[in-house]
Amino acid sequence: EVQVVESGGGLVQPGGSLRLSCAASGFSFSSYWMSWVRQAPGRGLEWVANIKQDGSEKYYVDSVKGRFTISRDNAKNSVFLQMNSLRAEDTAVYYCATGFWVFDPWGQGTVVTVSS
Amino acid sequence: EIVLTQSPATLSLSPGERATLSCRASQSVSSYLAWYQQKPGQAPRLLIYDASNRAAGIPARFSGSGSGTDFTLTISSLEPEDVAVYYCQQRSNWLFGQGTKLEIK
Repeated sequence: EVQVVESGGGLVQPGGSLRLSCAASGFSFSSYWMSWVRQAPGRGLEWVANIKQDGSEKYYVDSVKGRFTISRDNAKNSVFLQMNSLRAEDTAVYYCATGFWVFDPWGQGTVVTVSS
Repeated sequence: EIVLTQSPATLSLSPGERATLSCRASQSVSSYLAWYQQKPGQAPRLLIYDASNRAAGIPARFSGSGSGTDFTLTISSLEPEDVAVYYCQQRSNWLFGQGTKLEIK
């Protein structure tokens, strides 16, 4: 079964850090771009970042540039999102998704809450 | 940057009716447009990619059309399980539209 499973969400204070993980299975992970998409409470979808198969290209939405870093470990079929200097507006469900711009499949999401 | 505008914001129809959802781009995106379905409490699911190609496992009642700036997602005969928010998305800057909420009467 093709799937991706996120972990690492939680409650963090403003200015804090969190590292999200996404474990993939059922497909040739190293052959695909991987992406992170988030959804704030009651809001729509927002693409956050993506990373090329070999990690040589990475792209970020403007609002997270300089604060978030996407990385991957092809030996472990995993992609990560290191989030620093977190703000209240980063509160969201974070989804891991397979693909460069067409996202399929998606994980079930992990909740990040930034609050004091 | 390219902005996607979806209409209507909410659509309320009866089972068996035809649903037509619109997505308009602020400039041409060629055929680089995808549609996703997000049911309440669930992760999004890919329905259509490259404007008109159904993703694996998607029922034939879902179809996509259009190119350039105007796109349409059509559900030919609504089922109760089609209650969801539908998002379009383009390749240029990965932006999503704001979504159309589909309700069943």
